[in-house]
Amino acid sequence: KNQVEQSPQSLIILEGKNCTLQCNYTVSPFSNLRWYKQDTGRGPVSLTIMTFSENTKSNGRYTATLDADTKQSSLHITASQLSDSASYICVVRGNQGGKLIFGQGTELSVKP
Amino acid sequence: GAGVSQSPSNKVTEKGKDVELRCDPISGHTALYWYRQSLGQGLEFLIYFQGNSAPDKSGLPSDRFSAERTGGSVSTLTIQRTQQEDSAVYLCASSLGPSGGGYQETQYFGPGTRLLVL
Repeated sequence: KNQVEQSPQSLIILEGKNCTLQCNYTVSPFSNLRWYKQDTGRGPVSLTIMTFSENTKSNGRYTATLDADTKQSSLHITASQLSDSASYICVVRGNQGGKLIFGQGTELSVKP
Repeated sequence: GAGVSQSPSNKVTEKGKDVELRCDPISGHTALYWYRQSLGQGLEFLIYFQGNSAPDKSGLPSDRFSAERTGGSVSTLTIQRTQQEDSAVYLCASSLGPSGGGYQETQYFGPGTRLLVL
């Protein structure tokens, strides 16, 4: 079982609508959690990074939340744009200086 | 400023041949990572270099894979006797280094090398 599970696998929404992507993890001990956006054919780009003491972090229209007790994170996208169409990847670091554990990603498609 | 660069951007090779992929991290970044992304799959960690410490090679899938980082900067990933299942996008990322979870750990990814083994 993957230590970082994302849902849904894929999502289609209309331009202007909001959406929320989920990430559940079992990695322990936990150091930090990041959300990346990966456009097709490009490398991932960091959106947010949160430590266990942070509950929420925003980056423009992207807002990430973290509940370290339930080991859940969400990425909320407000007023979606066509350029938001991408894969969104949740990544957890389990211990200081160690490797990152990647979720399988959620493929978001924003339609006009 | 200059980001992470990788070369070649695309590589087609015959099964059994060796290939070498190159990564130029952002200047001053002490941490460097190699990942593999197969079609429709998530990112798979391969190897992690941090400063002068021994690299974390726990993600390398077989002994055909090796990587080195010369002078704490440029890194090369070598795949010997390539197999068709090695076909994937190989991504390199760098960061300032571990710092307790702060922004310094943000990884900046290169554009990747698309490897196709025929």
